[in-house]
Amino acid sequence: EVQLVESGGDLVQPGGSLRLSCTASGFSFSNYEMVWVRQAPGKGLEWISYISGSGDSIYSADSVKGRFTISRDNAKNSLYLQMNSLRVDDTAVYYCARNGGGLGYWGQGTLVTVSS
Amino acid sequence: QSALTQPRSVSGSPGQSVAISCTGTSSDVGGYNYVSWYQQYPGKAPKVVIYDVSERPSGVPDRFSGSKSGNTASLTIAGLQAEDEADYYCCSYAGRFKLVFGGGTKVTVL
Repeated sequence: EVQLVESGGDLVQPGGSLRLSCTASGFSFSNYEMVWVRQAPGKGLEWISYISGSGDSIYSADSVKGRFTISRDNAKNSLYLQMNSLRVDDTAVYYCARNGGGLGYWGQGTLVTVSS
Repeated sequence: QSALTQPRSVSGSPGQSVAISCTGTSSDVGGYNYVSWYQQYPGKAPKVVIYDVSERPSGVPDRFSGSKSGNTASLTIAGLQAEDEADYYCCSYAGRFKLVFGGGTKVTVL
């Protein structure tokens, strides 16, 4: 069974940093592209970052470019999102998702709250 | 990249059909056959119901169908059921490994 489990969400002050993790199981992790998608409270979905299966190609939305970095460790079946210079409007539930058949599998999400 | 345009809400009675539109540009919806649709219940993660414009994942009822014409994609739910009441989001590939979502549509079963 495919499973994606996010962790690392927390309350952080503006300007702070946080690293999110997504642990995958039930499939050959290195064979799949992965993305991060976020959802602010009461708002819609926003794609924020993409990484290829090998990790060689990464792309990010303009809203997070230069502040957030996606990475992966295929030996650990893990995806990461390093979030720096956090702003109040980064407050959201962050989901990792597997690309394939659309975004065919999603984690349950982890809440990041940026507030002083 | 601007969000795709969806109606904020649609409604229908049980058994009726509803359609949700998703309008983009030639740089996203119109340029690629990579439109997907997601169903989301409150407090839950999204779930794909249609991918690649009209493909339905296994386990998704055939009441759900997708199509595209020009820069507009559509999701149709035929034979509406109470369990279909949820938020629905369209998503399109927008080149250079970027994805763009619609603003979401709330489907209400009357």
